[in-house]
Amino acid sequence: AQSVTQLDSQVPVFEEAPVELRCNYSSSVSVYLFWYVQYPNQGLQLLLKYLSGSTLVKGINGFEAEFNKSQTSFHLRKPSVHISDTAEYFCAVTFTTSGTYKYIFGTGTRLKVLA
Amino acid sequence: DSGVTQTPKHLITATGQRVTLRCSPRSGDLSVYWYQQSLDQGLQFLIQYYNGEERAKGNILERFSAQQFPDLHSELNLSSLELGDSALYFCASEGGRGPGTQYFGPGTRLLVL
Repeated sequence: AQSVTQLDSQVPVFEEAPVELRCNYSSSVSVYLFWYVQYPNQGLQLLLKYLSGSTLVKGINGFEAEFNKSQTSFHLRKPSVHISDTAEYFCAVTFTTSGTYKYIFGTGTRLKVLA
Repeated sequence: DSGVTQTPKHLITATGQRVTLRCSPRSGDLSVYWYQQSLDQGLQFLIQYYNGEERAKGNILERFSAQQFPDLHSELNLSSLELGDSALYFCASEGGRGPGTQYFGPGTRLLVL
């Protein structure tokens, strides 16, 4: 069965410091990987996605993630965070089964950027 | 603004009742997904419709049902409500059958008392 694990439920970090949010997945079939961000009282918004090609994916707001197939990971990084990056971040995988795509979301990591 | 609209924004009801949540996808998007977000279970995929037909089912209870209409808007019906159904319900739309970008609506917050 497929699963997604976000090990850190909360990550506090000071403004302008780098951050890495971890995501590991488990799957017996090929997957596509996504990171979404949820700001307070809003829906989720796509940050970046990996479908194929280069394993280093760049997204919006200066975020990037690297797909590592051998370690089954898709960690999200930003070299210098801002207060406005305070939000909840969700890693998601999608895979095909019987011709349809199924999506599994991680439990989320709450990023708190401190002044 | 994602272009996906959901109504109502908030809903308060009693146990045993039935409610309908509505979602209008982005213009041109054929797929609609429904998710339930609760504190203890995170974001759970419920069901997907593509161009009026059910495409995939997730952790959707039998008390819940959904449909997508010819104009592509979708409704999620929740019946025999229980306290544990209190959650944020999101819909998301996508252009095709997947795996593309999902555009999420602002959600409907349901409180069952």
